[in-house]
Amino acid sequence: TQLLEQSPQFLSIQEGENLTVYCNSSSVFSSLQWYRQEPGEGPVLLVTVVTGGEVKKLKRLTFQFGDARKDSSLHITAAQPGDTGLYLCAGARRDDKIIFGKGTRLHILP
Amino acid sequence: DTAVSQTPKYLVTQMGNDKSIKCEQNLGHDTMYWYKQDSKKFLKIMFSYNNKELIINETVPNRFSPKSPDKAHLNLHINSLELGDSAVYFCASSSWTSGDETQYFGPGTRLLVL
Repeated sequence: TQLLEQSPQFLSIQEGENLTVYCNSSSVFSSLQWYRQEPGEGPVLLVTVVTGGEVKKLKRLTFQFGDARKDSSLHITAAQPGDTGLYLCAGARRDDKIIFGKGTRLHILP
Repeated sequence: DTAVSQTPKYLVTQMGNDKSIKCEQNLGHDTMYWYKQDSKKFLKIMFSYNNKELIINETVPNRFSPKSPDKAHLNLHINSLELGDSAVYFCASSSWTSGDETQYFGPGTRLLVL
């Protein structure tokens, strides 16, 4: 059974601080996705990384896919209260189901 | 325009009842999914249909029966509801033929079994 370990599970930091969320697995994925879920809504895709070592930036968010395509990280620079939410990583293998991590609940204090 | 829609959004029912949740997508996708999100926000896949055919059936009680009348619809029927079925159920769709594995989620159905 594939497992996608996401850490930390909860994170509460002050506005302006930096943070990193990690997603680790023993399995190789063809792609890895990061979603953000707001209360009362479904997850919304932030980014998909496909190539080992790939780095993608989305404003203050930086996503990296590990060289072996088994792990990924999400780094937020100068966090803002609007970044508060549930962040989910999801690993995908071609013709197989997508596996979600258990999520990181991020709370940015003003 | 709503891409993936689910009805109802809220469902409160008594234990032992039978209920259905409907899902529709207007994205032209060929694959649809049902996920269950528990109180700890863990999102777990239940079923997946590709072109109306069941391709993923996780370890889900057989009280749960999905039905896909066409590629744009995937409904979930639940028999003999139990307290542990209380959760948020998300429908999602994606396009396998395009090679894009992005999942587009509906707004969720909040099921509470009393």
